[in-house]
Amino acid sequence: DAGVIQSPRHEVTEMGQEVTLRCKPISGHNSLFWYRQTMMRGLELLIYFNNNVPIDDSGMPEDRFSAKMPNASFSTLKIQPSEPRDSAVYFCASSLKASGRGNQPQHFGDGTRLSIL
Amino acid sequence: DAKTTQPPSMDCAEGRAANLPCNHSTISGNEYVYWYRQIHSQGPQYIIHGLKNNETNEMASLIITEDRKSSTLILPHATLRDTAVYYCIVRVGGNAGNMLTFGGGTRLMVKP
Repeated sequence: DAGVIQSPRHEVTEMGQEVTLRCKPISGHNSLFWYRQTMMRGLELLIYFNNNVPIDDSGMPEDRFSAKMPNASFSTLKIQPSEPRDSAVYFCASSLKASGRGNQPQHFGDGTRLSIL
Repeated sequence: DAKTTQPPSMDCAEGRAANLPCNHSTISGNEYVYWYRQIHSQGPQYIIHGLKNNETNEMASLIITEDRKSSTLILPHATLRDTAVYYCIVRVGGNAGNMLTFGGGTRLMVKP
């Protein structure tokens, strides 16, 4: 079974450029999450969608970051303009809707390693 | 959310059981205990979760104390591929608990 697919796996770009990260969740999952991981701050949740609707974006660092989910099978995280401090590994995860036995597990992609020069 | 405390690192001999502790003394009645792990250069991987009863699946066992203030993740026969950072997370059930907060975790090193 295909897991969460993220692209690109690696991205190196100069500061000021626009960066778009892509995610294809597991088919049938209706919750999608974007995380960022750095050595200093660990793994942080940026934004969470449920049924393609953004539920909580309080983790989005600033207005330079935006995320969309135009349909159930695709999401993007965009940074414009990018800055060196945005360098991190960005993970996308998806899950089924919560059941009566706690939450469904989140399944993570392998991440996009972003370097802003 | 209930705060969790884990040792920063542990070693385990290959083939032996790895017992990873987690303290969550402020856990409330509707909060579940989740375990994820992250192998180097990969995304986190769900392992197991539970509310108050012990749980077991093909990957691990989860032992939760009767007062629910602590838990232990057990990998019964650790292999070198189990070397990873293990995260203990406490969250409420339902859609409100969908957002996971990852702490520092325990870095488990399985040695030959």
